Amino acid sequence: DAGITQSPRHKVTETGTPVTLRCHQTENHRYMYWYRQDPGHGLRLIHYSYGVKDTDKGEVSDGYSVSRSKTEDFLLTLESATSSQTSVYFCAIVDLGTYGYTFGSGTRLTVV
Amino acid sequence: GDSVTQMEGPVTLSEEAFLTINCTYTATGYPSLFWYVQYPGEGLQLLLKATKADDKGSNKGFEATYRKETTSFHLEKGSVQVSDSAVYFCALSEMAGANSKLTFGKGITLSVRP
Repeated sequence: DAGITQSPRHKVTETGTPVTLRCHQTENHRYMYWYRQDPGHGLRLIHYSYGVKDTDKGEVSDGYSVSRSKTEDFLLTLESATSSQTSVYFCAIVDLGTYGYTFGSGTRLTVV
Repeated sequence: GDSVTQMEGPVTLSEEAFLTINCTYTATGYPSLFWYVQYPGEGLQLLLKATKADDKGSNKGFEATYRKETTSFHLEKGSVQVSDSAVYFCALSEMAGANSKLTFGKGITLSVRP
C-alpha cells in the first residue's frame, strides 16, 4: 500500500504478560503515531514520535511505552497487559507537505 | 485542547436517500479537517479533507465544507448506496510540528438498506 505495515495482525495474550507491537514504514517520514480504536471512543492517541529517540505521550498513554531507535520502526509495548487493553491498534504516518496521513492495517489485540 | 464532536449514531438510511453527518470542532489554531471512512474489517481511508476556511472537500459523491464561523465540517451525500455502509470519522489536525497529530470524533456507523 503506502509503505506502512503493522505486525502482528492479530494477537491473543494473557493478562500480565508484556506485548510489543511493531510499526514499520518505508516512507522516511519523521512523525509516527500509535492509536487505539474502541467502540464509542473513536481513535485515541497513545504515543507519538517526531524523530529517532523523540517520543511523547498522547491522551491514553498509561500502561504503554514506545521506542524509536530507527526512523522506519516505531514500537509500542504493553508492559503488563490488562483486559482493558483489548483493542485494535493503528499506526499512522504523516506527510506534512501533502497533509497526507496513512494508516496501517491495524493489530487486533485480545488480552485474556 | 482540540476536540471533535460528531452526531450520535448509528444512522440507517434507504438506498438513494440524502445523507448528512454533523461534525463540529474546537481548536486553538487553524486546523485542517478530515473525514475518514472505515469499511467493515478494514483500516481507515481518507475520504476527503479541507485545509482552510471555506474550502470544500469532495470525493466519491461526498462533500464537506470547512465553516470557520460555525466551526463545522458536515459530511453530505445526495444519494447513498449500500456500498457506503461503513463507519465515518471526522478529524482535525493543527498540521504543525508536534501538533500534527490527528484528533478524532467518536465515529458514526452508517447502514444503507437496499
